[in-house]
Formats: sequence, C-alpha cells, structure tokens
Amino acid sequence: DVKVTQSSRYLVKRTGEKVFLECVQDMDHENMFWYRQDPGLGLRLIYFSYDVKMKEKGDIPEGYSVSREKKERFSLILESASTNQTSMYLCASSLQGYYTFGSGTRLTVV
Amino acid sequence: ILNVEQSPQSLHVQEGDSTNFTCSFPSSNFYALHWYRWETAKSPEALFVMTLNGDEKKKGRISATLNTKEGYSYLYIKGSQPEDSATYLCAFGGSSGTYKYIFGTGTRLKVLA
Repeated sequence: DVKVTQSSRYLVKRTGEKVFLECVQDMDHENMFWYRQDPGLGLRLIYFSYDVKMKEKGDIPEGYSVSREKKERFSLILESASTNQTSMYLCASSLQGYYTFGSGTRLTVV
Repeated sequence: ILNVEQSPQSLHVQEGDSTNFTCSFPSSNFYALHWYRWETAKSPEALFVMTLNGDEKKKGRISATLNTKEGYSYLYIKGSQPEDSATYLCAFGGSSGTYKYIFGTGTRLKVLA
C-alpha cells in the first residue's frame, strides 16, 4: 500500500521557534508538495519540489523554507513560527498528476 | 494565479437526498481535472480523474461530469448517506504545468441522519 507519511499528527509550538515538518513517501515519486489548509481558503501551495535538491515557491512561501536532500523526503521549515502559521499542513507526492496525500499535521503556534 | 472555485462552500442535506456541487476552472489550456474526497482525520482520497470534454465518471452513488469548453465540472451524489460526509475537492491541471495542480476551496458536505 503506497504511502505518504507525515511525522506528526498534532504539534504545538511557541512563537519564534524553528519548526520542522517532515514528509516521507515510498512511491519513488519525483514531485512533492507542501500545502496548508485554512477554513474557506482550500489547499494553498507553499512549496513544491520536482527533483532532489530542486524546489519552487508556491503561492504562499513567505515564512517558510523547504529541504529535499533525498527523493523520498521533503521537509517544510518554519524559520520562526508565528501565530498566523497555525494551520493544517498537508504533504503530497505525485506522478503524472495523480496525487497521494499524507494525513496532515495540525500545527498550533501559541 | 489561476482560479479554481467550488460552490457551495458547505452543504447540509438529509439522508436519502441527492445533491450536487460545482467546480469552476479556467477553460483554456486544460489538461485534467481531479476530484478528491477528504474525510476528517484522513488523507484526501482520489475519486475521479477526468480528461475529456463530456466525460462522465461513476463510482457507486457518486458521479461526475466535465465541460472543458465552459470550464466546469459537477459532482453528484445520489441518495446521500452519513458516510458521504466529507469535504470534496477538485483540482485543475493545466497543460503548461501538469505536475502542479490547483485545488479548489472545497465543498464541505454534511449528511444528516
């Protein structure tokens, strides 16, 4: 059964902390994505990667960075967490447009 | 930024009712449209992949149609059941960037028993 695994289901962090959200896929997909989902706004793309060490900004990259050192792992980094980054974060990988999603990480920044 | 809109944003129906909702997307440079179903505390799950104008797909009580010329897709649920309660997302893939799909805001469906 193919999988996208996100390291944490729920996370609470303090304002100003550096936060790492990890995502691992076992399907050998080249494309990986980080989204955030907020009520009424749908899934908004933060960053995506189409190959190891390659990354592109999505629609809302401010306050975030990413790392893709290995094909199977795509990390989202909040350099200095702020309360407006409280959200549901969803990782996905895709092959030819067919997306497989992780189960999400609900991050609360206090 | 390309716009993909879904309506209504949320919907409550009674068990047994049939319902439908809409996904609107750019009508130019169309490559594919995907529908996903996202239940609370689970991952979004692919329902349909639609690529041709006039496509109609069906999975049990759920079906979808596609009109690429006017830029919309309908999702229908016949005889809604409480287990159909979920957020339904559509995702538009344009021919210029087929690996990066644009998601709609979703329709949150609640089926009341």
